[in-house]
Amino acid sequence: DQQVKQNSPSLSVQEGRISILNCDYTNSMFDYFLWYKKYPAEGPTFLISISSIKDKNEDGRFTVFLNKSAKHLSLHIVPSQPGDSAVYFCAASASGNTPLVFGKGTRLSVIA
Amino acid sequence: NAGVMQNPRHLVRRRGQEARLRCSPMKGHSHVYWYRQLPEEGLKFMVYLQKENIIDESGMPKERFSAEFPKEGPSILRIQQVVRGDSAAYFCASSPLGAQLWDTEAFFGQGTRLTVV
Repeated sequence: DQQVKQNSPSLSVQEGRISILNCDYTNSMFDYFLWYKKYPAEGPTFLISISSIKDKNEDGRFTVFLNKSAKHLSLHIVPSQPGDSAVYFCAASASGNTPLVFGKGTRLSVIA
Repeated sequence: NAGVMQNPRHLVRRRGQEARLRCSPMKGHSHVYWYRQLPEEGLKFMVYLQKENIIDESGMPKERFSAEFPKEGPSILRIQQVVRGDSAAYFCASSPLGAQLWDTEAFFGQGTRLTVV
């Protein structure tokens, strides 16, 4: 049973436009959500996070939106750059010492 | 994340052999997490260890897999009698304290790619 779902395996966006990556979750105990970026042959790198007490968190070109009632979050990248091309993983955790639960990832390709 | 060192980066084993994957956490980190990524899949949690203690091994297969994090030295993920289905990328992450610090103080290593032939 997948608790964190990323239903789009891939996304292609033109440079300068907005990239929107989506993530759904099923476990209502999750209260902290993170996005990781991963290049080939490297480990995941933390990108941005949001706690359940917020509905938006912004860091430069990256914004994460959380809709708790829909159990949905999204990552917006604007403007998209070719260097943003990577696999993006959505991850979630519940309070306490619980490990992160990851989605399957979305491969973003930003075309120049 | 360059501070979390995993070796080897690539490991090839024949079916039935043993695989040993090592993870040296960042300096000052006493918590280690192992994740496995199968082809076209996300990262799946395997085991969470503190120094000399296994805290959570709920994601680790009951047979053939074991993990340790001794007082001195790296954390070791050991797979006995490997099978083709064990072929995957194995990542470890470390943090100074518990799992709440994923966004600020937890970092992943570059992974070990295990290929079973």
